[in-house]
Amino acid sequence: EADIYQTPRYLVIGTGKKITLECSQTMGHDKMYWYQQDPGMELHLIHYSYGVNSTEKGDLSSESTVSRIRTEHFPLTLESARPSHTSQYLCASTGGTEAFFGQGTRLTVV
Amino acid sequence: QKEVEQDPGPLSVPEGAIVSLNCTYSNSAFQYFMWYRQYSRKGPELLMYTYSSGNKEDGRFTAQVDKSSKYISLFIRDSQPSDSATYLCATMEYGNKLVFGAGTILRVKS
Repeated sequence: EADIYQTPRYLVIGTGKKITLECSQTMGHDKMYWYQQDPGMELHLIHYSYGVNSTEKGDLSSESTVSRIRTEHFPLTLESARPSHTSQYLCASTGGTEAFFGQGTRLTVV
Repeated sequence: QKEVEQDPGPLSVPEGAIVSLNCTYSNSAFQYFMWYRQYSRKGPELLMYTYSSGNKEDGRFTAQVDKSSKYISLFIRDSQPSDSATYLCATMEYGNKLVFGAGTILRVKS
């Protein structure tokens, strides 16, 4: 079983609030990813990291930001949440071969 | 053109049928190939992982990679209603980011 965890699982928050979605893995993986996925739709890469202090934007433009200060931790922050940010956010990690996902955070901005 | 092409379906089959799910890819440098199963509102779960060309079997599931034609397949034998989910193919070069197909929705009718 993959040791990658996301919190919270569900979040309902008001417009304009700042939020941080947490992602942690205990597998020592260098590479971590954030994906955004709407119901029934494909995964869209929004951020990735190849290691500590390395972050890159993904294929889908996002107003979120990420940081990678520790290998095991890759949080995603929205400074001012909007209803358009309502979606499922999935974190993944890989050591270079197989990749594992967390269970996701379902975000609703009202 | 997307790097990984996958027919989104939906694919509907009767219980007990053999299911064939397929993807094609364009980058000959891809070495690692994965199949994920994703239930509604959950994170993708790694089903099968294959390195380079060849077959890999795990219970009712067989993953097949043909690098010469850039074609990857997942076969499900004796399909069950519990197999109803979205199946995502994914691939990557070593050290580079993951690339996903759009996912195929599978429905197994009892």
